[in-house]
Amino acid sequence: QITLEESGPTLVKPTQTLTLTCSVSGLSLSTSGVGVGWIRQPPGKALEWLALIFWNDDKRYSPSLRTRLTITKDPSKSQVVLTMANVDPVDTATYYCATTVATNLPFDYWGQGTLVTVSS
Amino acid sequence: DIVMTQFPESLAVSLGERATINCKSSHSVLKSSNNKDYLAWYQQKPGQPPKLLIYWASTRDSGVPDRFSGSGSGTDFTLTIRSLQAEDVAVYYCLQHHSSLEWTFGQGTKVEIK
Repeated sequence: QITLEESGPTLVKPTQTLTLTCSVSGLSLSTSGVGVGWIRQPPGKALEWLALIFWNDDKRYSPSLRTRLTITKDPSKSQVVLTMANVDPVDTATYYCATTVATNLPFDYWGQGTLVTVSS
Repeated sequence: DIVMTQFPESLAVSLGERATINCKSSHSVLKSSNNKDYLAWYQQKPGQPPKLLIYWASTRDSGVPDRFSGSGSGTDFTLTIRSLQAEDVAVYYCLQHHSSLEWTFGQGTKVEIK
């Protein structure tokens, strides 16, 4: 059974750096084809894809947020970390991590999400 | 950038009737190497993460009722709910995962009961 759990701060001040962790169980981040991504959803709004990292360390970023995002993984801890620099109130959202088990498949397992509020 | 445009933004359908949601991509999402469209459909209910319904444009994920079907290829896709049930009230999103640089969601379609 594959499960994902997001963790991180619930409140961040503007201009700070947000660090979120996705803990994955039931799946090795080193298995060929496995990818873990981050998606966010502002309250009442649509899903927005942010970043994705594959088992071979191939990384992809949203073009509009590329300069602010960094995604890394630690297979030994089964964790994927997303950092977002210089946050703003418009970054207030529920942040989800999700996994794909093959490079030709979309996200099939999702965490429950974590709400991050950016406010002074 | 690949832009995914969903329409309508919302629709109200009577129980037992058909619901049709469209998704148009600014670029083809057909992978020539395996002839598969890298287009997925998700269902999201309030307070829940999205749930995968359809992948490769028309393949139902395990356990998804057969009243859900996907069609289309290249840049134009459709999700059809054949006979709307009360539990199908949700927001539906398309996702392209073809690009080697980025994945992109549509802006969502809200389905309600008329």
